[in-house]
Amino acid sequence: QKEVEQNSGPLSVPEGAIASLNCTYSDRGSQSFFWYRQYSGKSPELIMFIYSNGDKEDGRFTAQLNKASQYVSLLIRDSQPSDSATYLCAVWVSFGAGTTVTVRA
Amino acid sequence: DAGITQSPRHKVTETGTPVTLRCHQTENHRYMYWYRQDPGHGLRLIHYSYGVKDTDKGEVSDGYSVSRSKTEDFLLTLESATSSQTSVYFCAISEEGYNEKLFFGSGTQLSVL
Repeated sequence: QKEVEQNSGPLSVPEGAIASLNCTYSDRGSQSFFWYRQYSGKSPELIMFIYSNGDKEDGRFTAQLNKASQYVSLLIRDSQPSDSATYLCAVWVSFGAGTTVTVRA
Repeated sequence: DAGITQSPRHKVTETGTPVTLRCHQTENHRYMYWYRQDPGHGLRLIHYSYGVKDTDKGEVSDGYSVSRSKTEDFLLTLESATSSQTSVYFCAISEEGYNEKLFFGSGTQLSVL
């Protein structure tokens, strides 16, 4: 069983909508959780990290962590075409397979 | 961009030949990592280093070896390349280890024919 699972997608949302990405992990002792964005043909870049239960907001991005449920999510509000990318959930150095998001203009 | 340079950017080689990929950083970060990325699998950790001459295996280390003789350089070697090692290889660095965010190099596209 892969340690980090993401909803496989692809996810298509209209411009201006909220994109919701989900991730679960298997190691209950995990403490650091990251979301990376990867544009096609490019390398991953960090967009959010969260260590504590609850919500963390940064601009249009909100990361949510629920350690009891071993669940991490990323919300992208007011989605823009430039948000079209693959989003990778990571629990420290272990990555999920990624969810590809397409924002329709 | 974080100061991470991977070389070569692209390489085509034949089955059975040795291949070495290089990762060079100018950030003086302690930790360095090698990943491979394949469709449907995301990023999978091959090996990582937590200091000069200190390395450890990751999830998919079979068929790969690494060396780190200087803080700034981390080498990944495929002793005898196989077609299953055709992939995109990413180097990453972090300032420290546990709980730290990663910064990635631009990647190396390796094709083994």
